[in-house]
Amino acid sequence: DAKTTQPTSMDCAEGRAANLPCNHSTISGNEYVYWYRQIHSQGPQYIIHGLKNNETNEMASLIITEDRKSSTLILPHATLRDTAVYYCIVRDLSGGSNYKLTFGKGTLLTVNP
Amino acid sequence: DTAVSQTPKYLVTQMGNDKSIKCEQNLGHDTMYWYKQDSKKFLKIMFSYNNKELIINETVPNRFSPKSPDKAHLNLHINSLELGDSAVYFCASSHEIRQFFGPGTRLTVL
Repeated sequence: DAKTTQPTSMDCAEGRAANLPCNHSTISGNEYVYWYRQIHSQGPQYIIHGLKNNETNEMASLIITEDRKSSTLILPHATLRDTAVYYCIVRDLSGGSNYKLTFGKGTLLTVNP
Repeated sequence: DTAVSQTPKYLVTQMGNDKSIKCEQNLGHDTMYWYKQDSKKFLKIMFSYNNKELIINETVPNRFSPKSPDKAHLNLHINSLELGDSAVYFCASSHEIRQFFGPGTRLTVL
């Protein structure tokens, strides 16, 4: 799986949009971009994934650049409960339901009141 | 209902002891995993099972033995516990699109 690079930490004001960047310059054509987050003392939680089109769900939006070498996770209205470590992961979906997620260091997002 | 559950939540034990952590998922998934998160917060896969069959074994010491009595359960047994085994252990299950993680078991070896 391709390697990802994320900032170590970011701050965001409550109610504002949080934009978390990720670089994945070695991503291959069949690899998807995934985002998970881990709130303190909890298990990781899936947020969103995409291949090349922008994606949106009830939690966040994912913007992937046209060359697919980077992406941005957007939390449109961050709340205090969004304070967590956010992991950007790339993976190949060809393995069916059995695959490993390779977690990096992630970005610690702190949402401030 | 909890999708992926683990017991116990906390486990404190002495070096050299043998302990087990249990995991159950009620999502009907065929694949389950064990991950380890060390004190530096790195989260790494240890094992994966698909329909009770071991698929991934990430060079984990053979003191760690996963057991899957059925596809809804994946237990982790650890023999001769060492100080370096202290960590948070997460169980997960998956379908093709995403993995679902349990709440974690914090193991402390004294």
